[in-house]
Amino acid sequence: DGGITQSPKYLFRKEGQNVTLSCEQNLNHDAMYWYRQDPGQGLRLIYYSQIVNDFQKGDIAEGYSVSREKKESFPLTVTSVQKNPTAFYLCASSSGGASGDTQYFGPGTRLTVL
Amino acid sequence: QQQVKQSPQSLIVQKGGISIINCAYENTAFDYFPWYQQFPGKGPALLIAIRPDVSEKKEGRFTISFNKSAKQFSLHIMDSQPGDSATYFCAARSPGFQKLVFGTGTRLLVSP
Repeated sequence: DGGITQSPKYLFRKEGQNVTLSCEQNLNHDAMYWYRQDPGQGLRLIYYSQIVNDFQKGDIAEGYSVSREKKESFPLTVTSVQKNPTAFYLCASSSGGASGDTQYFGPGTRLTVL
Repeated sequence: QQQVKQSPQSLIVQKGGISIINCAYENTAFDYFPWYQQFPGKGPALLIAIRPDVSEKKEGRFTISFNKSAKQFSLHIMDSQPGDSATYFCAARSPGFQKLVFGTGTRLLVSP
């Protein structure tokens, strides 16, 4: 059963703690992405990776970090520096290439910082 | 230049009616325009997509109309059903990059 999995679905953390969100895909996709979704603001790109061991900052990378050590995994760490981390986080992947391809999204993780 | 402006923010349509959502862009280099559908608590799913070399694409009850000169594209949902109630996002992509720029979303409610 191919797809993208994100865990956990809900995550609660105290202010000042780092937290890592998991994203795994078995679609054999080269590219992976992390988005943040807030009400009324659509999806904003945090980081993306076009290939293993390489990643690029998106539009709102401050306070976040990622790694891409394996093709199927792209974990996102929300650091204590992030001023307002409570949001819905979405991971996506695509097959890559320059000819415009579909991004497939995971089910999301809702992070609440108390 | 990298923005995609989406309207309306919310929309209520009666069952059987036509839902229309509009998007506008500035960057003429965008070459791929997908629409995503998102249900509450779920990730977005691709609904339909178009490239700027065609003016219209239809898949079932969903149609994208594309106006290259006006730099606008729209989603039409014919015979709208309560199950279509969701948030819809338009997006655009630059060639050579793999990033999508998303609109702010339209919350559609189809009343029974």
